[in-house]
Amino acid sequence: NAGVTQTPKFRILKIGQSMTLQCTQDMNHNYMYWYRQDPGMGLKLIYYSVGAGITDKGEVPNGYNVSRSTTEDFPLRLELAAPSQTSVYFCASRGGQVNTGELFFGEGSRLTVL
Amino acid sequence: LAKTTQPISMDSYEGQEVNITCSHNNIATNDYITWYQQFPSQGPRFIIQGYKTKVTNEVASLFIPADRKSSTLSLPRVSLSDTAVYYCLVAQNQAGTALIFGKGTTLSVSS
Repeated sequence: NAGVTQTPKFRILKIGQSMTLQCTQDMNHNYMYWYRQDPGMGLKLIYYSVGAGITDKGEVPNGYNVSRSTTEDFPLRLELAAPSQTSVYFCASRGGQVNTGELFFGEGSRLTVL
Repeated sequence: LAKTTQPISMDSYEGQEVNITCSHNNIATNDYITWYQQFPSQGPRFIIQGYKTKVTNEVASLFIPADRKSSTLSLPRVSLSDTAVYYCLVAQNQAGTALIFGKGTTLSVSS
């Protein structure tokens, strides 16, 4: 199994550009999450989804958008990139009952905004 | 909201047992407690999960008292490769779906 796959792994953007970080999982998990992690800091929840067609804001949703049209895919859209969005982005998925189950993380997407 | 609180950092020597405690005073009745390990430039990795009392697997033990307001991750006989950041995670909403990480505990193991 591939698990959680994120693309691209690295990207440099100019201020004001837009892009989409792709995340796909092949474990048929209902729950999917996007986190960002700034250097030396913990993970911050951006958005999450409990199933196709359902998304919710996390701690730091401003400047981002998500969609969940299928169980497998959970893309994260950055509109009008800003230097403050320079970070490592992790996508994760979880199966099992709502209160249990481990999070499976992708390898991360390192984004730099100049 | 079940905010988690952990020590910012801990130091240990190889071969020692390390116990990291996390407080989660407002944990939801049905929520489980999960611990993750993170190395630099990698996503967190699942270590162990429990609901109450004690859980043990091949790498760690998890102790949860009856009131479930805290939990303790126990790493037996740590090695240099256990140097990492450790997070305890509980859901931050009653639905059990908003998984928000705390600041974590940086464990440094020396020889």
